[in-house]
Amino acid sequence: QSALTQPASVSGSPGQSITISCTGTSSDVGGYNYVSWYQQHPGKARKLMIYEVSNRPSGVSDRFSGSKSGNTASLTISGLKAEDEADYYCTSYTSSSTVYVFGTGTKVSVL
Amino acid sequence: QVQLQESGPGLVKPSETLSLTCTVSGGSFNSYYWSWIRQPPGKGLEWIGYIYYSGSTNYNPSLKSRVTMSIDTSKNQFSLNLSSVTAADTAVYYCARESMLGNYFDYWGQGTLVTVSS
Repeated sequence: QSALTQPASVSGSPGQSITISCTGTSSDVGGYNYVSWYQQHPGKARKLMIYEVSNRPSGVSDRFSGSKSGNTASLTISGLKAEDEADYYCTSYTSSSTVYVFGTGTKVSVL
Repeated sequence: QVQLQESGPGLVKPSETLSLTCTVSGGSFNSYYWSWIRQPPGKGLEWIGYIYYSGSTNYNPSLKSRVTMSIDTSKNQFSLNLSSVTAADTAVYYCARESMLGNYFDYWGQGTLVTVSS
């Protein structure tokens, strides 16, 4: 299965906004509104940050927002904080028999 | 708060069967799909398959011939067996819960590294 393409790293200063892209195909990202985003701190379990492209679970800061255009989904973190430094992964439902396809992961650094 | 915890041997010999269990606490076990996902060192995540609380399963076609999943609702546990392992099966294995709405995972375990080596 082909992975969703994410930038390896993105960085920003506290207070800034950053955007992480997640590029797939019309069989996954572009074909369904089932893109989700996860945050992972070292040694911790992945945490759901966004589901169905742009929905935030209860308890997730509104500094996190999601969107999609064509075959590319995006996660934007506004008002960047030191605690946002983590790895971020996107996931999409896919029409292939593998059901889910995952992003390559992006390391966010807060300068 | 729902928590998932993987457990099992960290080292498995080639040609043997890898066996892992995921224990779920803090939430309902029924009416959910429970998945296994893995990530080989330096590579991307791969969905292995899921099992519904009723016992029905769906496996990744690339692994289907070697995968068996089972569930024990009385213990809030589900398990993964992967047979005839090779070095290519060395990975961090995660268990995760698929949201009741479907099509995304709302809770993950921390993951456990399984190394295939003699």
